[in-house]
Amino acid sequence: EIVLTQSPGTLSLSPGERATLSCRASQSVSSSYLAWYQQKPGQAPRLLIYGASSRATGIPDRFSGSGSGTDFTLTISRLEPEDFAVYYCQQYGSSSWTFGQGTKVEIK
Amino acid sequence: QLQLQESGPGLVKPSETLSLTCTVSGGSISSSSYYWGWIRQPPGKGLEWIGSIYYSGSTYYNPSLKSRVTISVDTSKNQFSLKLSSVTAADTAVYYCARGVVTAIWGWGQGTLVTVSS
Repeated sequence: EIVLTQSPGTLSLSPGERATLSCRASQSVSSSYLAWYQQKPGQAPRLLIYGASSRATGIPDRFSGSGSGTDFTLTISRLEPEDFAVYYCQQYGSSSWTFGQGTKVEIK
Repeated sequence: QLQLQESGPGLVKPSETLSLTCTVSGGSISSSSYYWGWIRQPPGKGLEWIGSIYYSGSTYYNPSLKSRVTISVDTSKNQFSLKLSSVTAADTAVYYCARGVVTAIWGWGQGTLVTVSS
């Protein structure tokens, strides 16, 4: 079973700053099967990135994903007020879904 | 546009069985290549995959919950369901139904809070 570990647990930044979120897998993950989600309080998660680097429909280009193997990154180039939320990475493997524990991006 | 809606009791007693249904609209539950799954989120915590059913009918469960989980599909009603037996307070969570493929989970229900309490 693949374990996804996200870091940091909490990221305190100001609007306009750059956010870099990490997702590390316990063993190699196919890039095609790595996704990122944003979740705001009281809402279901929203797909941001699939296939490690492809933006889902309607996702602003300030969101970008990269990485391969065991190390993946979600970057928000310039934080907007609506970007403060919790972010999860997720992988598909052996017909199962696995989530990281999440990174909270909070206003500094 | 795909929509998923969870339904079921919001309160379940300890040791009983939690039962939820997800009604799918805007798409057929029989469409090829889709997984229909259940994911839960305890209050203030992260997301946990419970299990999925593939369009072919094959089921896949989180090993940590496998002994207590059953997921099934009713194609005539375009619904799929979750049963989780022998619940405890640790099963209190928001339960989401979702549709995904190998690349990502593309559709989510709004979630429903299920509390386990006597």
